[in-house]
Amino acid sequence: DGGITQSPKYLFRKEGQNVTLSCEQNLNHDAMYWYRQDPGQGLRLIYYSQIVNDFQKGDIAEGYSVSREKKESFPLTVTSAQKNPTAFYLCASSVPGQGAFGYTFGSGTRLTVV
Amino acid sequence: AQTVTQSQPEMSVQEAETVTLSCTYDTSENNYYLFWYKQPPSRQMILVIRQEAYKQQNATENRFSVNFQKAAKSFSLKISDSQLGDTAMYFCAFTSGGGADGLTFGKGTHLIIQP
Repeated sequence: DGGITQSPKYLFRKEGQNVTLSCEQNLNHDAMYWYRQDPGQGLRLIYYSQIVNDFQKGDIAEGYSVSREKKESFPLTVTSAQKNPTAFYLCASSVPGQGAFGYTFGSGTRLTVV
Repeated sequence: AQTVTQSQPEMSVQEAETVTLSCTYDTSENNYYLFWYKQPPSRQMILVIRQEAYKQQNATENRFSVNFQKAAKSFSLKISDSQLGDTAMYFCAFTSGGGADGLTFGKGTHLIIQP
């Protein structure tokens, strides 16, 4: 079945370390997105990419970086510059121009700073 | 910039009752789409219903329906005959144009269905 796979499900990071969250999709979608979810805050857009080798900042891009070397993959790196990285991270994808039909979401990664 | 506001942080109803979740939004766009997503305790995001702004007819999906008031920029979700499995966070979301630039979400409503 087609879908989005996020790994790992739980991730622990020490202060000052960079960590990378994986997002892989086999839906043949061109557009991919990263959202951050905090309690009482809803989902906020971090970065998105509409095509390979191109990506745009979302509303809260500071302290994060992404790459899009393959259509299927859109990894998110949480850098040491992110002041408060503990959150739930969701990856999503859509067909460009058809995002109005809805997005497909992964099952998320819970990142905790220890 | 678009904003989405959900004014009910939490609601609780008895099983089989009807419940309405509120959502208002602000945009200067004419071509846009509105969504309700459900997030159960598993935290998987599930699309419940969508509405095209250019359609006057309110969308319906089984027990779920919306009341879309374009002039008032209001998009409420009605759940009829509520079931225990409807217990979840519900998020109202907005996207403009073809939807390529991502979704803007409200802060969510935690809906609890009591047996």
